[in-house]
Amino acid sequence: LAKTTQPISMDSYEGQEVNITCSHNNIATNDYITWYQQFPSQGPRFIIQGYKTKVTNEVASLFIPADRKSSTLSLPRVSLSDTAVYYCLEARGSTLGRLYFGRGTQLTVWP
Amino acid sequence: ETGVTQSPTHLIKTRGQQVTLRCSSQSGHNTVSWYQQALGQGPQFIFQYYREEENGRGNFPPRFSGLQFPNYSSELNVNALELDDSALYLCASSLGQGGQETQYFGPGTRLLVL
Repeated sequence: LAKTTQPISMDSYEGQEVNITCSHNNIATNDYITWYQQFPSQGPRFIIQGYKTKVTNEVASLFIPADRKSSTLSLPRVSLSDTAVYYCLEARGSTLGRLYFGRGTQLTVWP
Repeated sequence: ETGVTQSPTHLIKTRGQQVTLRCSSQSGHNTVSWYQQALGQGPQFIFQYYREEENGRGNFPPRFSGLQFPNYSSELNVNALELDDSALYLCASSLGQGGQETQYFGPGTRLLVL
């Protein structure tokens, strides 16, 4: 069962910054917070992962507050090609790598 | 491109038949996980193979089975197909079996059961 809660859909325009927030009310001490992106008829693609505070890579930033009960994926200056479903997950480092996907957030970017 | 390939890309079967789906993992990866994704849903974990052994299973019946070969490629077999088995089947490879390991997904096999 998915253990996270995130909005079903979001809309944005090209060039804007998009922030998608996820709730992790039951996150365990050794869980990592991970985000994947999925385009139609393709497999999910890893975007970013963090444990606490802020992580940034060439694609996105991930903000995790001190209590780790939520996380925010930030996509700077989105383009039409960022239209996709975004999943937040909790990945438990000490156990086997099964990923629990919810329904994700459908992000639609408009021109 | 993740380097994970799956075959076939599409498949049509009838109820009661059996199907075998194949996955080649990314070079150097010893772990393969399989997921089922129904339309409009997120992927659901079927099972994982680590160094040719099943290493964990989700809530799927025994008619879903798998294999991992010495080169770490993998097969998913589904017997006695049901209409609800129609879905996108995804495999993902990773460097290890741990939960924090990044999983690299293939493009999937779309199965339609009539």
